Amino acid sequence: QAGLTQPPSVSKGLRQTATLTCTGNSNNVGNQGAAWLQQHQGHAPKLLSYRKNNRPSGISERFSAARSGNTASLTITGLQPEDEADYYCSAWDSSLSAWVFGGGTKLTVL
Amino acid sequence: EVQLLESGGELVQPGGSLRLSCAASGFTFSSNAMHWVRQAPGKGLEWVSVIGGRGGGIYYADSVKGRFTISRDNSKNTLFLQMNSLRAEDTAVYYCAKEKDAFDIWGQGTMVTVSS
Repeated sequence: QAGLTQPPSVSKGLRQTATLTCTGNSNNVGNQGAAWLQQHQGHAPKLLSYRKNNRPSGISERFSAARSGNTASLTITGLQPEDEADYYCSAWDSSLSAWVFGGGTKLTVL
Repeated sequence: EVQLLESGGELVQPGGSLRLSCAASGFTFSSNAMHWVRQAPGKGLEWVSVIGGRGGGIYYADSVKGRFTISRDNSKNTLFLQMNSLRAEDTAVYYCAKEKDAFDIWGQGTMVTVSS
């Protein structure tokens, strides 16, 4: 099953802004948007955002999601050392009747 | 507190079988779809299967279709994954995850190793 496309790595400086992208098609991202998850090394993933820009309770406003066509994005403002992690996007694919994940982006905070 | 606790992972030989469990607490289990997601060592997340709150709405990834079976016992607040004909490429940490719009709560995972 084809997955979503994410850049393997992004590096930004402390207190800067990082924008991570996730490209799919009209059957997944373009249909219902994407969810974004954060995973620190050795830990389970944590949901940051779902659908367009809905954040679960407890998730910082520094994390915001958007979508343009078949591409979803996650913007993290005021980067902190604890933001260094792997970030995954995911979406339901209506043609595959399956959830698909991106390969993940490793964010490094310099 | 909402909690998911996986168990059942172990070392198994290729071609063998294993049954994973996920015990849920802190929420109305039968009201939520539940997923299994796996992560091979050093790799990304791979969705495995989903089951609706009442046991319908079952879907599988192509990589496990015909070999894995997802089920749930709402009376015991427990999710299961029966894995048959296991292959080396099934080696991964298996997570269960609760669905509320997306994967909003995850367990800590259980390791499955397929090797001779």
